[in-house]
Amino acid sequence: NAGVMQNPRHLVRRRGQEARLRCSPMKGHSHVYWYRQLPEEGLKFMVYLQKENIIDESGMPKERFSAEFPKEGPSILRIQQVVRGDSAAYFCASSPRRGNTEAFFGQGTRLTVV
Amino acid sequence: GDSVTQMEGPVTLSEEAFLTINCTYTATGYPSLFWYVQYPGEGLQLLLKATKADDKGSNKGFEATYRKETTSFHLEKGSVQVSDSAVYFCALMLQGGSEKLVFGKGTKLTVNP
Repeated sequence: NAGVMQNPRHLVRRRGQEARLRCSPMKGHSHVYWYRQLPEEGLKFMVYLQKENIIDESGMPKERFSAEFPKEGPSILRIQQVVRGDSAAYFCASSPRRGNTEAFFGQGTRLTVV
Repeated sequence: GDSVTQMEGPVTLSEEAFLTINCTYTATGYPSLFWYVQYPGEGLQLLLKATKADDKGSNKGFEATYRKETTSFHLEKGSVQVSDSAVYFCALMLQGGSEKLVFGKGTKLTVNP
Protein backbone atom coordinates (compact mmCIF):
# COMPACT_ATOMS: atom_id res chain seq x y z
CA ASN A 1 0.00 0.00 0.00
CA ALA A 2 1.75 3.08 -1.24
CA GLY A 3 1.82 6.08 1.04
CA VAL A 4 0.60 9.57 0.26
CA MET A 5 2.22 10.64 -3.00
CA GLN A 6 2.92 14.25 -3.79
CA ASN A 7 4.37 15.62 -6.98
CA PRO A 8 6.40 17.31 -7.99
CA ARG A 9 8.83 17.18 -5.06
CA HIS A 10 10.40 20.45 -6.12
CA LEU A 11 8.81 23.17 -8.21
CA VAL A 12 10.34 26.44 -9.36
CA ARG A 13 8.11 29.17 -10.70
CA ARG A 14 8.70 32.74 -11.76
CA ARG A 15 6.64 35.47 -10.19
CA GLY A 16 3.26 35.69 -11.89
CA GLN A 17 3.16 32.07 -13.06
CA GLU A 18 0.79 29.40 -11.85
CA ALA A 19 1.78 26.51 -9.58
CA ARG A 20 -0.11 23.21 -9.47
CA LEU A 21 0.64 20.78 -6.70
CA ARG A 22 -0.74 17.26 -6.77
CA CYS A 23 -1.54 14.86 -3.97
CA SER A 24 -2.63 11.24 -4.34
CA PRO A 25 -3.93 9.97 -1.00
CA MET A 26 -3.34 6.52 0.35
CA LYS A 27 -5.54 3.82 -1.13
CA GLY A 28 -8.93 3.85 0.52
CA HIS A 29 -8.52 7.37 1.89
CA SER A 30 -11.15 9.88 0.85
CA HIS A 31 -10.14 12.78 3.11
CA VAL A 32 -7.29 15.10 2.21
CA TYR A 33 -5.68 17.98 4.12
CA TRP A 34 -3.24 20.57 2.79
CA TYR A 35 -0.71 22.32 5.02
CA ARG A 36 1.91 24.96 4.31
CA GLN A 37 5.26 25.15 6.05
CA LEU A 38 7.04 28.47 5.80
CA PRO A 39 10.80 28.58 6.56
CA GLU A 40 11.52 28.12 10.27
CA GLU A 41 7.81 27.73 11.01
CA GLY A 42 5.47 24.92 11.87
CA LEU A 43 2.83 23.67 9.50
CA LYS A 44 -0.29 25.75 9.02
CA PHE A 45 -3.58 24.25 7.98
CA MET A 46 -4.90 25.43 4.64
CA VAL A 47 -7.83 23.30 3.50
CA TYR A 48 -9.67 20.04 4.17
CA LEU A 49 -11.38 18.22 1.31
CA GLN A 50 -13.43 15.11 0.90
CA LYS A 51 -14.08 13.68 -2.55
CA GLU A 52 -15.68 16.47 -4.62
CA ASN A 53 -16.30 18.63 -1.55
CA ILE A 54 -14.44 21.33 0.33
CA ILE A 55 -15.14 20.77 4.02
CA ASP A 56 -13.02 23.53 5.59
CA GLU A 57 -11.03 26.17 3.75
CA SER A 58 -10.53 28.50 6.69
CA GLY A 59 -6.75 28.48 6.25
CA MET A 60 -6.70 29.32 2.58
CA PRO A 61 -5.65 32.81 1.48
CA LYS A 62 -8.64 34.60 0.04
CA GLU A 63 -7.09 35.23 -3.34
CA ARG A 64 -5.01 33.22 -5.83
CA PHE A 65 -5.30 29.90 -3.96
CA SER A 66 -7.76 27.13 -4.75
CA ALA A 67 -8.02 23.42 -4.09
CA GLU A 68 -10.02 20.54 -5.46
CA PHE A 69 -10.36 16.82 -4.94
CA PRO A 70 -12.27 15.38 -7.90
CA LYS A 71 -14.08 12.07 -7.97
CA GLU A 72 -11.25 10.63 -10.03
CA GLY A 73 -7.62 11.60 -9.76
CA PRO A 74 -5.47 13.42 -7.25
CA SER A 75 -6.19 16.44 -5.16
CA ILE A 76 -4.81 19.65 -6.67
CA LEU A 77 -3.65 22.77 -4.88
CA ARG A 78 -3.48 25.62 -7.35
CA ILE A 79 -1.70 28.92 -6.78
CA GLN A 80 -2.23 31.57 -9.42
CA GLN A 81 0.14 34.49 -10.05
CA VAL A 82 2.68 33.28 -7.53
CA VAL A 83 4.69 35.74 -5.45
CA ARG A 84 7.93 35.28 -3.51
CA GLY A 85 6.01 34.90 -0.28
CA ASP A 86 4.40 31.72 -1.62
CA SER A 87 7.78 29.97 -1.41
CA ALA A 88 7.26 27.20 1.11
CA ALA A 89 6.87 23.48 1.54
CA TYR A 90 3.33 22.29 0.92
CA PHE A 91 2.30 19.05 2.58
CA CYS A 92 -0.69 16.89 1.94
CA ALA A 93 -2.12 14.43 4.45
CA SER A 94 -4.86 11.85 4.03
CA SER A 95 -7.10 9.82 6.29
CA PRO A 96 -9.70 7.13 5.61
CA ARG A 97 -12.65 8.76 7.33
CA ARG A 98 -13.78 11.64 9.42
CA GLY A 99 -13.04 11.25 13.09
CA ASN A 100 -9.82 9.37 12.44
CA THR A 101 -7.15 10.79 14.70
CA GLU A 102 -4.26 9.77 12.49
CA ALA A 103 -3.42 11.46 9.23
CA PHE A 104 -0.64 10.21 6.96
CA PHE A 105 1.61 12.81 5.38
CA GLY A 106 3.25 12.96 2.00
CA GLN A 107 6.84 14.07 1.50
CA GLY A 108 5.79 17.52 0.42
CA THR A 109 6.31 19.82 -2.54
CA ARG A 110 8.91 22.51 -2.11
CA LEU A 111 7.84 25.54 -4.10
CA THR A 112 10.42 28.20 -4.89
CA VAL A 113 9.29 31.42 -6.52
CA VAL A 114 12.07 33.32 -8.27
CA GLY B 1 -7.79 30.40 19.45
CA ASP B 2 -6.29 26.96 19.68
CA SER B 3 -2.51 26.94 19.78
CA VAL B 4 0.56 24.89 20.62
CA THR B 5 3.74 26.24 22.17
CA GLN B 6 6.88 24.18 22.23
CA MET B 7 10.34 24.92 23.45
CA GLU B 8 12.58 26.82 21.11
CA GLY B 9 15.45 25.01 19.55
CA PRO B 10 17.84 24.06 18.42
CA VAL B 11 18.67 21.40 20.95
CA THR B 12 22.05 19.69 20.76
CA LEU B 13 22.79 16.58 22.80
CA SER B 14 25.40 13.89 22.99
CA GLU B 15 24.46 10.31 22.24
CA GLU B 16 22.79 8.53 25.18
CA ALA B 17 21.75 11.80 26.82
CA PHE B 18 18.24 12.33 28.20
CA LEU B 19 15.86 14.33 26.05
CA THR B 20 12.94 16.52 27.05
CA ILE B 21 11.08 18.78 24.62
CA ASN B 22 8.38 20.81 26.32
CA CYS B 23 4.98 21.33 24.75
CA THR B 24 1.96 23.16 26.12
CA TYR B 25 -1.34 23.82 24.45
CA THR B 26 -4.40 26.04 24.54
CA ALA B 27 -7.65 24.57 23.28
CA THR B 28 -11.33 25.34 23.58
CA GLY B 29 -12.33 21.69 23.78
CA TYR B 30 -10.70 18.37 24.56
CA PRO B 31 -8.00 17.79 21.98
CA SER B 32 -6.05 14.78 20.94
CA LEU B 33 -2.32 15.44 21.16
CA PHE B 34 0.46 14.31 18.86
CA TRP B 35 4.18 14.38 18.32
CA TYR B 36 5.37 14.28 14.73
CA VAL B 37 8.96 13.91 13.54
CA GLN B 38 10.41 15.33 10.33
CA TYR B 39 13.71 13.99 9.09
CA PRO B 40 15.73 16.17 6.68
CA GLY B 41 14.03 16.49 3.31
CA GLU B 42 11.12 14.30 4.34
CA GLY B 43 7.50 14.69 5.29
CA LEU B 44 6.10 14.30 8.76
CA GLN B 45 5.76 10.97 10.46
CA LEU B 46 3.54 10.37 13.43
CA LEU B 47 5.73 9.51 16.40
CA LEU B 48 3.12 9.07 19.12
CA LYS B 49 -0.28 10.28 20.23
CA ALA B 50 -2.64 10.47 23.18
CA THR B 51 -6.37 11.04 22.89
CA LYS B 52 -7.44 11.73 26.48
CA ALA B 53 -6.14 13.01 29.79
CA ASP B 54 -3.52 10.85 31.55
CA ASP B 55 -2.93 8.73 28.45
CA LYS B 56 0.70 8.02 27.70
CA GLY B 57 1.82 7.71 24.10
CA SER B 58 5.02 5.82 23.39
CA ASN B 59 7.03 4.69 20.39
CA LYS B 60 10.70 3.97 19.59
CA GLY B 61 11.73 4.82 23.16
CA PHE B 62 9.95 8.17 23.10
CA GLU B 63 7.03 8.86 25.38
CA ALA B 64 4.71 11.71 26.32
CA THR B 65 1.88 11.95 28.85
CA TYR B 66 -1.28 13.99 28.30
CA ARG B 67 -1.52 16.29 31.35
CA LYS B 68 -4.80 18.14 31.38
CA GLU B 69 -4.07 20.01 34.62
CA THR B 70 -0.95 21.60 33.16
CA THR B 71 -2.13 21.50 29.52
CA SER B 72 1.14 19.84 28.59
CA PHE B 73 2.42 16.98 26.46
CA HIS B 74 6.19 16.94 26.96
CA LEU B 75 8.26 14.56 24.85
CA GLU B 76 10.94 12.48 26.59
CA LYS B 77 13.49 9.85 25.70
CA GLY B 78 15.91 8.30 28.12
CA SER B 79 18.84 7.78 25.75
CA VAL B 80 18.98 9.52 22.38
CA GLN B 81 20.79 8.23 19.32
CA VAL B 82 22.37 10.03 16.38
CA SER B 83 19.50 8.73 14.25
CA ASP B 84 17.04 10.72 16.37
CA SER B 85 18.36 13.95 14.86
CA ALA B 86 15.31 15.59 13.30
CA VAL B 87 12.72 18.29 13.83
CA TYR B 88 9.97 17.41 16.31
CA PHE B 89 6.51 18.96 16.13
CA CYS B 90 3.89 18.95 18.82
CA ALA B 91 0.32 19.19 17.54
CA LEU B 92 -3.29 19.05 18.63
CA MET B 93 -6.49 18.07 16.92
CA LEU B 94 -9.96 18.97 18.12
CA GLN B 95 -12.54 16.29 17.61
CA GLY B 96 -15.89 17.02 16.09
CA GLY B 97 -14.79 19.83 13.82
CA SER B 98 -12.77 19.53 10.65
CA GLU B 99 -10.10 17.65 12.59
CA LYS B 100 -7.30 19.81 11.30
CA LEU B 101 -4.00 19.65 13.11
CA VAL B 102 -2.64 22.73 14.88
CA PHE B 103 1.15 22.57 15.07
CA GLY B 104 3.84 24.11 17.20
CA LYS B 105 6.80 25.70 15.46
CA GLY B 106 9.00 22.66 15.82
CA THR B 107 12.16 21.90 17.75
CA LYS B 108 15.28 20.88 15.90
CA LEU B 109 17.26 18.17 17.66
CA THR B 110 20.84 17.34 16.79
CA VAL B 111 22.49 14.35 18.47
CA ASN B 112 26.27 14.13 18.25
CA PRO B 113 28.19 10.86 18.53
